[in-house]
Amino acid sequence: AIRMTQSPSSFSASTGDRVTITCRASQGISSYLAWYQQKPGKAPKLLIYAASTLQSGVPSRFSGSGSGTDFTLTISCLQSEDFATYYCQQYYTYPRTFGQGTKVEIK
Amino acid sequence: EVQLVESGGGLVKPGGSLRLSCAASGFTFSSYSMNWVRQAPGKGLEWVSSISSSSSYIYYADSVKGRFTISRDNAKNSLYLQMNSLRAEDTAVYYCARDPSDFWGQGTLVTVSS
Repeated sequence: AIRMTQSPSSFSASTGDRVTITCRASQGISSYLAWYQQKPGKAPKLLIYAASTLQSGVPSRFSGSGSGTDFTLTISCLQSEDFATYYCQQYYTYPRTFGQGTKVEIK
Repeated sequence: EVQLVESGGGLVKPGGSLRLSCAASGFTFSSYSMNWVRQAPGKGLEWVSSISSSSSYIYYADSVKGRFTISRDNAKNSLYLQMNSLRAEDTAVYYCARDPSDFWGQGTLVTVSS
């Protein structure tokens, strides 16, 4: 199975900060990568698919990049509603695997 | 409006069985592959199983293979997960999600405990 490794596992940031989360695949997955946001007690929400395509309705401060094995999720100007846990997932092959998650906390 | 509503969760003893359902509405259910994803308390997301639109292709995580069975009824716009030989480590919130996971249900909690 392809292993997805996110870094960091958690960090603190302030409103207005530019933040970047990294996801690395244990083997090449082309651009078959999605990013999700999850808030406590809620279902995950799709933010980005195909590594860099913004899901409809998602604010433009979210962006994704990368291909092959290395990917990034960037939030250009962190808002209060962005404090959450973020997951990457590869859908290049089965089993579809998630990263372990990155929790973004308020500094 | 796309809606996915899971049901069937609850408390079950180790070794027991449970059948989860996911009722879909607001889209052409028969045109989409569907997924089950779970999340153990305080843990991350784990993909469980996927089924293609016509049930021709089915995939399982190694952790549930041989114990869980995914199925669907396109006439009833419903997705199912039959869970047998349940273990404590199967305790989780189970979500159904439309492929490519752009819409998710609210989840149903399965607790395996004696």
